[in-house]
Amino acid sequence: AQTVTQSQPEMSVQEAETVTLSCTYDTSENNYYLFWYKQPPSRQMILVIRQEAYKQQNATENRFSVNFQKAAKSFSLKISDSQLGDTAMYFCAFMNLFGNEKLTFGTGTRLTIIP
Amino acid sequence: DVKVTQSSRYLVKRTGEKVFLECVQDMDHENMFWYRQDPGLGLRLIYFSYDVKMKEKGDIPEGYSVSREKKERFSLILESASTNQTSMYLCASSVPGTQYFGPGTRLLVL
Repeated sequence: AQTVTQSQPEMSVQEAETVTLSCTYDTSENNYYLFWYKQPPSRQMILVIRQEAYKQQNATENRFSVNFQKAAKSFSLKISDSQLGDTAMYFCAFMNLFGNEKLTFGTGTRLTIIP
Repeated sequence: DVKVTQSSRYLVKRTGEKVFLECVQDMDHENMFWYRQDPGLGLRLIYFSYDVKMKEKGDIPEGYSVSREKKERFSLILESASTNQTSMYLCASSVPGTQYFGPGTRLLVL
């Protein structure tokens, strides 16, 4: 079974600064996906970024990028030039590449961007 | 555009009532999921379905059942609601490698 750990329950940062959210996971699988999901106060869960484990290159989506360290089983999210709209719960999640597309989630990090 | 809808945003029920939570997706996805979200626990999988009339238990199925009579609709059923089922319930559907979520239903059981 997989586990996903987010060790930072809450974080806050000034607007326009850079913030990094941590995530570690444990699995015996070699082929999988990792995700960061964002859940703003309105509660719609939105996919932020996805990383395929077989790709060495770190995924990037505009101001969002990841640092994927497969050997260390670490998957952090970096938000550059943070904006007020980035205030949300952020969840790290794991999915086996060959399976029923089930997600295993971490417990989340509540991020607050301070004006 | 991907769309997953849930029948209610907020629901208040009494202990012992039978509760139905409905989820509909318009993307012809095979797989659908029900999660519950609690503070400090993240999202936990209750049940999922990989085809019409097919279902599998997730990590916390006790006290819940599901129904999938049509491909686009996946229902979560609380046979006899209890106060410990007060929670946020999220539905999702998926394509290989990505899940899409509905807006969630916040259920309060009194």
